[in-house]
Amino acid sequence: DVKVTQSSRYLVKRTGEKVFLECVQDMDHENMFWYRQDPGLGLRLIYFSYDVKMKEKGDIPEGYSVSREKKERFSLILESASTNQTSMYLCASSLGGVGEKLFFGSGTQLSVL
Amino acid sequence: AQTVTQSQPEMSVQEAETVTLSCTYDTSENNYYLFWYKQPPSRQMILVIRQEAYKQQNATENRFSVNFQKAAKSFSLKISDSQLGDTAMYFCAFAHTGTASKLTFGTGTRLQVTL
Repeated sequence: DVKVTQSSRYLVKRTGEKVFLECVQDMDHENMFWYRQDPGLGLRLIYFSYDVKMKEKGDIPEGYSVSREKKERFSLILESASTNQTSMYLCASSLGGVGEKLFFGSGTQLSVL
Repeated sequence: AQTVTQSQPEMSVQEAETVTLSCTYDTSENNYYLFWYKQPPSRQMILVIRQEAYKQQNATENRFSVNFQKAAKSFSLKISDSQLGDTAMYFCAFAHTGTASKLTFGTGTRLQVTL
């Protein structure tokens, strides 16, 4: 089975800190995604990548950046964390191609104080 | 832009009964994919079922089936013989056919299965 691993399950940071959320997949998937999940809002796409060093903005990219230097790893960066970035962050990956299902990590619950 | 609407924030069903979760979407595309994902308390999102828009036959996976009405842009999930393990958040999602086939999700329905 595909495994998508997120480095932290829970994370507490201070306002203004630079935060790195790491995601690794082990099945050579082309596509990787970062979503944030908030109650009542569902999952919203922050950024995605369809190849190494390639990235595209999702629906809510403001305040975030990403890095994909290796195919298996996709990092989400909060340059200067703010309290409104307190959320559950979900990483996912999929094969290249249309209509492929996403495989998700277990999520990182980030609290910014 | 595509939107996905789940109008039922919470639902409850008794064990062994049948429940239907609603989902509507809006798109100008003709060819696309639709999904239902389940997120149990463990937070691990799991694919429940997938439907290709150009296939008229409704998808079925064991106790899970969909009612896909393309003209009405409706994609409901039916869970038969509900089990306690079905307790979870259920998300409907629309897959774009463009770059990376990214998914747009609805806001979710929290399903509680009771004894």
